[in-house]
Amino acid sequence: NAGVTQTPKFHILKIGQSMTLQCTQDMNHNYMYWYRQDPGMGLKLIYYSVGAGITDKGEVPNGYNVSRSTTEDFPLRLELAAPSQTSVYFCASSYVGETQYFGPGTRLLVL
Amino acid sequence: DQQVKQNSPSLSVQEGRISILNCDYTNSMFDYFLWYKKYPAEGPTFLISISSIKDKNEDGRFTVFLNKSAKHLSLHIVPSQPGDSAVYFCAASESNTGNQFYFGTGTSLTVIP
Repeated sequence: NAGVTQTPKFHILKIGQSMTLQCTQDMNHNYMYWYRQDPGMGLKLIYYSVGAGITDKGEVPNGYNVSRSTTEDFPLRLELAAPSQTSVYFCASSYVGETQYFGPGTRLLVL
Repeated sequence: DQQVKQNSPSLSVQEGRISILNCDYTNSMFDYFLWYKKYPAEGPTFLISISSIKDKNEDGRFTVFLNKSAKHLSLHIVPSQPGDSAVYFCAASESNTGNQFYFGTGTSLTVIP
C-alpha cells in the first residue's frame, strides 16, 4: 500500500513551457486534491475532485488544469508556466471530506 | 485573505515541557478542524482533529482545544520530545461541504534536548 505517490520529485521548467504533475493513490479514496505551498505560507487549494469525471476549482486555480478519468489518478497540468508558479505542489486524497493523506510533494522551479 | 491564521512562525521548547501551538480562524461556518505535522521534504501527515460539537480531543501526548466563541484552537503536546520538531499546520473546513480545507501558515516547533 503506497498511499499517495507524486512524480516527479523535482523539476525545472522554462517560462512558457507546459508540464503535467502526476498523482496516484491506491487507497480507493473518492476525493483528491492539489495544493501548492509557497515559502512561509500555508497550503492553498488549486483544484479538487470528488470522484472520477468531476473536478472543481479551489482558491488558486488560474494557470492550472486537472482531469480525473480514474479513481486512482489526478494529474495537474501547468500551461504556459510562469515564475509565479514556482512552488511545492502536494497532492492529497481522502474519503468523503475526511482526513486527507498527502503525497511527498513535487518541487517545481520555473525559470 | 487568510481565513486560518497561525501567528507564531516558530516556537522552541525544552524536551519534557509542554508545547502549545495556537491557531485562529475568521469564518464562523468552520466546524471541523485538523492539525497536521510536516517534516522537511515530506508531505503533511495527519495528527489530530476536532469537530465543533466538542471542545477538547485527546490522543496520547496530543490534545486539541477548541474555543468557538473566540474562534481559536490550540494544540498541546505533553511531554514534548525531540522527534516532535517539525512544522505544524492547522486546517479548517465546513463539514457540510467537506471539500475545501483552509490551512494556516504553519508554526515551526523545535524541541531542544
